[in-house]
Amino acid sequence: DAKTTQPNSMESNEEEPVHLPCNHSTISGTDYIHWYRQLPSQGPEYVIHGLTSNVNNRMASLAIAEDRKSSTLILHRATLRDAAVYYCILRDPLPNAGGTSYGKLTFGQGTILTVHP
Amino acid sequence: EAGVAQSPRYKIIEKRQSVAFWCNPISGHATLYWYQQILGQGPKLLIQFQNNGVVDDSQLPKDRFSAERLKGVDSTLKIQPAKLEDSAVYLCASSLGRVGEQYFGPGTRLTVT
Repeated sequence: DAKTTQPNSMESNEEEPVHLPCNHSTISGTDYIHWYRQLPSQGPEYVIHGLTSNVNNRMASLAIAEDRKSSTLILHRATLRDAAVYYCILRDPLPNAGGTSYGKLTFGQGTILTVHP
Repeated sequence: EAGVAQSPRYKIIEKRQSVAFWCNPISGHATLYWYQQILGQGPKLLIQFQNNGVVDDSQLPKDRFSAERLKGVDSTLKIQPAKLEDSAVYLCASSLGRVGEQYFGPGTRLTVT
């Protein structure tokens, strides 16, 4: 599975933008970049995903480097409810060598985001 | 729409006992996943079902863990016998298809003493 590297932790102030970086230098051409987050005592939740172009949704924006070796999740105005562990995951939608498993999510350590009032 | 339901939310057992967790996925979701999340780590996939068939159980410790998904809807994950290192949160997730967005339940926190 392709690997990602994220900072262990980041801090932000409420209502300020947050840029969460992710390095994935070994990304393959078919890997999608997915972001999930996990609020305290909850299961992970999907945030956003992209392949090559920048993506926006109601939760966040995803900026993907031209060479696709890194990406940044952008929270435009952090709130206290955004305090969570953010996971950057590479996901290959193609079947594995056995032809049975598709699009496995392999979670790393993630980035712990602390938001200060 | 209703989310992924899991029960129980918490369970404390002694080592060598057995335990079972239950998951009810989102209606219509064909793919169901069980993850194990040890404190301080990201979730690790244990098993993936497509309808009622297993498509990936490569990281399931089959000597003590088993899972089934009868009729392609609800699923149960069983540990027998439990070890201290099985203390973790067990998360169930579901998705429409094999590569769709995964929706996670709240998890079951297992403590083995």
